[in-house]
Amino acid sequence: GAGVSQSPRYKVAKRGQDVALRCDPISGHVSLFWYQQALGQGPEFLTYFQNEAQLDKSGLPSDRFFAERPEGSVSTLKIQRTQQEDSAVYLCASSGPGLPYEQYFGPGTRLTVT
Amino acid sequence: EDQVTQSPEALRLQEGESSSLNCSYTVSGLRGLFWYRQDPGKGPEFLFTLYSAGEEKEKERLKATLTKKESFLHITAPKPEDSATYLCAVQVSLQAAGNKLTFGGGTRVLVKP
Repeated sequence: GAGVSQSPRYKVAKRGQDVALRCDPISGHVSLFWYQQALGQGPEFLTYFQNEAQLDKSGLPSDRFFAERPEGSVSTLKIQRTQQEDSAVYLCASSGPGLPYEQYFGPGTRLTVT
Repeated sequence: EDQVTQSPEALRLQEGESSSLNCSYTVSGLRGLFWYRQDPGKGPEFLFTLYSAGEEKEKERLKATLTKKESFLHITAPKPEDSATYLCAVQVSLQAAGNKLTFGGGTRVLVKP
């Protein structure tokens, strides 16, 4: 079956521009996660949705970062007024209800802020 | 604070040369420990979940084990296609922690023919 898809795969933004990154989770998965991965590092948690409810946004680095999942399926991560330090790969993952808890990741969006 | 440390950072192996990767963790209450494989330019690919000390899981040339403080990923007789970054992550059982994964920095494995 189809896995997690993300678009765009690559995004170049000039400093100060707003960007929107999309995630389409595995069908039927109620949980959706966003992670940020810097070059050579492990992914770091940003935010978590259960259906349409954003239950944890403790990892969002600033109020320039905003995520939504209005209908409990597709999610969008928005970054306003991008800065160079926002350059990273943004990964989306989804998992089903209950056990097992493993998360399945999409290919990521590589954001470069110039 | 939950912490996950992986060692070594990088590992160069000859084809057929078995080795082990270490993942040590400090968490308030472990719900599960996860191993992922990540190829360049791709998202992490799920390998294993371990839930309790003493548990072992195998998949082809990979075997994961878990103790109360660390996990090992053993690679037996590796092939060049096993070259990748291997990531370890923990999920804690506290309700307030939700379901997020806390990752280590990864071990980059290169298997030379």
